[in-house]
Amino acid sequence: DIQLTQSPSFLSASVGDRVTITCRASQGISSYLAWYQQKPGKAPNLLIYAASTLQSGVPSRFSASKSGTEFTLTISSLQPEDFATYYCQQLNSYPHTFGQGTKLEIK
Amino acid sequence: EVQLVEAGGGMVQPGGSLRLSCTASGFTFSSYWMSWVRQTPGKGLEWVANIKQDGSETNYVDSVRDRFTISRDNAKNSLYLQMNSLRVEDTAEYYCARGIMGAPRGLEYWGQGTQVTVSS
Repeated sequence: DIQLTQSPSFLSASVGDRVTITCRASQGISSYLAWYQQKPGKAPNLLIYAASTLQSGVPSRFSASKSGTEFTLTISSLQPEDFATYYCQQLNSYPHTFGQGTKLEIK
Repeated sequence: EVQLVEAGGGMVQPGGSLRLSCTASGFTFSSYWMSWVRQTPGKGLEWVANIKQDGSETNYVDSVRDRFTISRDNAKNSLYLQMNSLRVEDTAEYYCARGIMGAPRGLEYWGQGTQVTVSS
């Protein structure tokens, strides 16, 4: 199975900060990577698919990129509603594994 | 408006069975891959299974293969997960999710989840 390792697991930041979350795949997954945001008690919400394509309705402060097997999600200027847990998921091969999550907390 | 509504969760003893259902509305159900994803309390997400638009292809995570069966009824806009030989470690919130149009590239819409608890 393909393993996805997210870093950091926890991130403390302030409103207005620029933050980056990394997801590293254990082997090549082309661009078959998605990013999700999950708030407590809610289902995940798709932010990014195909490594860098912004899902419709997602604010433009979210962006993502790929370099080899390393993928990054960037939030350019944190807003209060962005404090949540973020997950990456690979859809290159089965099973479609998720990263362990990155919890973004208010500093 | 796209809606996915899960049902069928509950408490069951180890070795028991449950059948989850997911009723879809607001889109052409037969045009999309559908998936089940689970989440244990306070833990992360685990992809469980998916099924192609016409039901001709199914895929599973190894931990549930041969115990769980994903199926769909396009005439009823419904997705199912038959769970047999349940284990304590299957305890989780189970979500159904719709893929993006075309091949699996992401899970665009999710239901609210249904809780499955396996305990003696």
